[in-house]
Amino acid sequence: RKEVEQDPGPFNVPEGATVAFNCTYSNSASQSFFWYRQDCRKEPKLLMSVYSSGNEDGRFTAQLNRASQYISLLIRDSKLSDSATYLCVVNLSGGYNKLIFGAGTRLAVHP
Amino acid sequence: DADVTQTPRNRITKTGKRIMLECSQTKGHDRMYWYRQDPGLGLRLIYYSFDVKDINKGEISDGYSVSRQAQAKFSLSLESAIPNQTALYFCATSPTGGDEQFFGPGTRLTVL
Repeated sequence: RKEVEQDPGPFNVPEGATVAFNCTYSNSASQSFFWYRQDCRKEPKLLMSVYSSGNEDGRFTAQLNRASQYISLLIRDSKLSDSATYLCVVNLSGGYNKLIFGAGTRLAVHP
Repeated sequence: DADVTQTPRNRITKTGKRIMLECSQTKGHDRMYWYRQDPGLGLRLIYYSFDVKDINKGEISDGYSVSRQAQAKFSLSLESAIPNQTALYFCATSPTGGDEQFFGPGTRLTVL
């Protein structure tokens, strides 16, 4: 079983749609959680951290469920520029900052 | 100027050749990492270094070696390249105690 699992997609949605991505992780000792965004053939960049209380940044909302070992990302009012691959990332040990990456979920937003 | 740079950006080589990929950063971070990315797989950690005197193997270190020449420089070597090392390689940095990692633009390596 992969340590971090994501639906690879692609998710094809029209502009303005709401789309949700899910991610599960296997190690219950995981300390911190993130969503990174990766554009085609580019480097990953941090989109947002994920907190137990949930957090929101504009059109993006991230949720963490530690009991179910589940992370989600919700994107509202999708824009063409949101087209990218979204990587679910887990830090197993807070002091060592060793990140475990999911394979990513691809989003394609069309006009 | 980019904070994390990688050279070369693209490289095609032959089986058995020695290859070095270089990474430099101007962020002043102590921690540096090398990953590879393959289609359908997440980024996988090859080696990481928490300071100049600290080198650690990651998930997939076989066939690779690294050198931390200075705080700002971290090189990855393939001593004898093989075709299944064809991948996109990323260098990353992070500050001590920080969670976020900052990635270089990547090196696309093809081993024929």
